[in-house]
Amino acid sequence: GENVEQHPSTLSVQEGDSAVIKCTYSDSASNYFPWYKQELGKRPQLIIDIRSNVGEKKDQRIAVTLNKTAKHFSLHITETQPEDSAVYFCAASNPTGNQFYFGTGTSLTVIP
Amino acid sequence: GAGVSQSPSNKVTEKGKDVELRCDPISGHTALYWYRQSLGQGLEFLIYFQGNSAPDKSGLPSDRFSAERTGGSVSTLTIQRTQQEDSAVYLCASSWTSGGLDTQYFGPGTRLTVL
Repeated sequence: GENVEQHPSTLSVQEGDSAVIKCTYSDSASNYFPWYKQELGKRPQLIIDIRSNVGEKKDQRIAVTLNKTAKHFSLHITETQPEDSAVYFCAASNPTGNQFYFGTGTSLTVIP
Repeated sequence: GAGVSQSPSNKVTEKGKDVELRCDPISGHTALYWYRQSLGQGLEFLIYFQGNSAPDKSGLPSDRFSAERTGGSVSTLTIQRTQQEDSAVYLCASSWTSGGLDTQYFGPGTRLTVL
């Protein structure tokens, strides 16, 4: 089955700096890669996703890149703000969408 | 509109007892997923329902776990003879169709504590 690894497990950045979180996956058939943000005590919420037919997607300060050959994808947050502090999870899904595999999460702290 | 709801929000039970957790997906969503999130850990896939098709149970950790979805809407996750290692937050998510094509919306979760 699929195996998703996520790094780093914790990340601290100064406000205004960029943050990068990386994930790798093992199943070359996976074709959908969402990223979720989970604030303390709250449910995960989708912040951005990418499908395997594109290499990069941006939404304001957030971008995701995908390298299918290397089987890795990354989340980039620019101009970080304290409210970006949360746990971020990457995930990979097979083409039928019946199973999602999540990374172990990255706890991001943005220091004011 | 209303999002995914789950009940109860918290459940404390004694080891060996059975528990039922409920999920109400967003109206019209055909796909429903159950996940487990242990403290400080990622989300572990448990089971997937798509419409009236047979569920994908491949993520269930043991035969003490079962789930059903009545009428293609509400789902119940049942854990029999609970163990302390079952303590976790159980999250439900739904999407319009198979998650590979559509965003999953998560419920607030049920925090299960097995004493």
